Amino acid sequence: AQSVTQPDIHITVSEGASLELRCNYSYGATPYLFWYVQSPGQGLQLLLKYFSGDTLVQGIKGFEAEFKRSQSSFNLRKPSVHWSDAAEYFCAVGAGFGNEKLTFGTGTRLTIIP
Amino acid sequence: GAVVSQHPSRVICKSGTSVKIECRSLDFQATTMFWYRQFPKQSLMLMATSNEGSKATYEQGVEKDKFLINHASLTLSTLTVTSAHPEDSSFYICSAREPNTDTQYFGPGTRLTVL
Repeated sequence: AQSVTQPDIHITVSEGASLELRCNYSYGATPYLFWYVQSPGQGLQLLLKYFSGDTLVQGIKGFEAEFKRSQSSFNLRKPSVHWSDAAEYFCAVGAGFGNEKLTFGTGTRLTIIP
Repeated sequence: GAVVSQHPSRVICKSGTSVKIECRSLDFQATTMFWYRQFPKQSLMLMATSNEGSKATYEQGVEKDKFLINHASLTLSTLTVTSAHPEDSSFYICSAREPNTDTQYFGPGTRLTVL
């Protein structure tokens, strides 16, 4: 069965600083990988995804993520965070028929300090 | 982009009553929708996969008689929490799989509080 680990429960960074959120996955085949962001009391918004091809993927809001098969990782990065980036971030792996079922990590809560 | 709506956004009900939550894909047709449950400060747990025109597939441990799912059209899936109890209070989120991109798009969620 597939699994996702987000080792950092809570991260605090200063506005304007760079950000990296870690994600490790376990899946027997080539995974579909996703990063979603959730603001308090809201649903999830897709930031970016990796299916195949270029291992560095660009997403919305200036985020990017790099798929590293050798490390089973899909870390999310942003060169300069904004106060509006404060939210909960979830990494997910798609598996099953048509890669439909998503398994989520436990999430990383990002706090931005001025 | 792909938009998914949920209704209601918030509902409070008495113990023993049933509550229906709607999930709609607004600008695409979704043969497959998903229902998740999220406890405070926790991740999303998949409850069931809803397939248009067929029975839903429930995850292990989810009571199918308690959480009734109907996917009557390509843009609508409903989750009915039957005989709700306080322990059913939670944040319920649906998603719809956009077939052209093989990506799930999520609704804004429904906060259910059972008194």
